[in-house]
Amino acid sequence: GAVVSQHPSWVICKSGTSVKIECRSLDFQATTMFWYRQFPKQSLMLMATSNEGSKATYEQGVEKDKFLINHASLTLSTLTVTSAHPEDSSFYICSARIATPYNEQFFGPGTRLTVL
Amino acid sequence: GEDVEQSLFLSVREGDSSVINCTYTDSSSTYLYWYKQEPGAGLQLLTYIFSNMDMKQDQRLTVLLNKKDKHLSLRIADTQTGDSAIYFCADFSGNTGKLIFGQGTTLQVKP
Repeated sequence: GAVVSQHPSWVICKSGTSVKIECRSLDFQATTMFWYRQFPKQSLMLMATSNEGSKATYEQGVEKDKFLINHASLTLSTLTVTSAHPEDSSFYICSARIATPYNEQFFGPGTRLTVL
Repeated sequence: GEDVEQSLFLSVREGDSSVINCTYTDSSSTYLYWYKQEPGAGLQLLTYIFSNMDMKQDQRLTVLLNKKDKHLSLRIADTQTGDSAIYFCADFSGNTGKLIFGQGTTLQVKP
């Protein structure tokens, strides 16, 4: 099956620093990649949609200057949390959509971010 | 806006069948999906059903779709302790091109 990886799987950083999370589709080219945020015992909240070579589309209420998304190739998207603060601590999950009629979306294993 | 609702918790005994229910409001839905999330992990795509189908079976999993009532269910036969996880129902919206997730149903399987 289609595999999506994320790196790192967890990260602890100091308040005010920036953190970059990578999302890769390992065995397929993804037409579109998505970034989600998940709070404990809650559902996934879509943050942004990114297509290779174009600017990401952010959901309402998500600060694009805070959460920088770069989709450099059909297999790699990165999310940079800039000037992180404790309230940015969360579980960040990426997904990649495969170009089939079924619009299947495959998810990465997630990145646990803790900001001290 | 489009919405997906699930019950939050289900507890069953090992060997029993589990039925997780989901309702959605999107009239432009094309595909509906079931994902499984284990603690600290991402989401695993279990199965999906096209909106013009009534049923899909895949080994221990049976998906039933009532399009008129906008009701989707996932039946897991012979539930095992390894099936304990959170199950998310998701609707692919033809209007927005995005997946809309339910809140997730925590399935607890007792030995």
